[in-house]
Amino acid sequence: RKEVEQDPGPFNVPEGATVAFNCTYSNSASQSFFWYRQDCRKEPKLLMSVYSSGNEDGRFTAQLNRASQYISLLIRDSKLSDSATYLCVVKGGSYIPTFGRGTSLIVHP
Amino acid sequence: DTGVSQNPRHKITKRGQNVTFRCDPISEHNRLYWYRQTLGQGPEFLTYFQNEAQLEKSRLLSDRFSAERPKGSFSTLEIQRTEQGDSAMYLCASSIRAAGTDTQYFGPGTRLTVL
Repeated sequence: RKEVEQDPGPFNVPEGATVAFNCTYSNSASQSFFWYRQDCRKEPKLLMSVYSSGNEDGRFTAQLNRASQYISLLIRDSKLSDSATYLCVVKGGSYIPTFGRGTSLIVHP
Repeated sequence: DTGVSQNPRHKITKRGQNVTFRCDPISEHNRLYWYRQTLGQGPEFLTYFQNEAQLEKSRLLSDRFSAERPKGSFSTLEIQRTEQGDSAMYLCASSIRAAGTDTQYFGPGTRLTVL
């Protein structure tokens, strides 16, 4: 089993839709969780950290479920500009983050 | 520009040649990471520096790969005797632990093509 697993998609949704991605992780000792966004042929950029109590940033909501070992990202009112790959990142006790392969989102008019 | 910079942005080389990439992190960041990313995959960790000390090295990093960060500022990644399987995007990221978090900021990457 891979350390961090994501459905690669693509998720193809119309503008204005709500879409959710999940990411599962295998190491129960994982401590830090993040979502990064990566545009085509660009570097990854931090979208948001994921806190135990869940957190929201505008149209984006991140949740952590330690019991089931997954994190989620919810995007409301999708925009064309949300089209990108969303990378799940998990860190254990070491300095080393593990990236998922990413989930591709395509928002169409 | 105060972000992470990488040079060159693109490198085309023939199999068997040596290549060297440079990463300049954000100036106050003491942590520096190298990753490799291939199409359809997330970044794979290669190695990590805290200041000038190389603290972690992935099993993916064969003995043809070496990285340095001599003065705790910029870093270089060298690949000797390149192989076609080395073709990938090589990403550098830097961070500093502050306020209980450790956010990584990535450079634009160096795209390597081995012919």
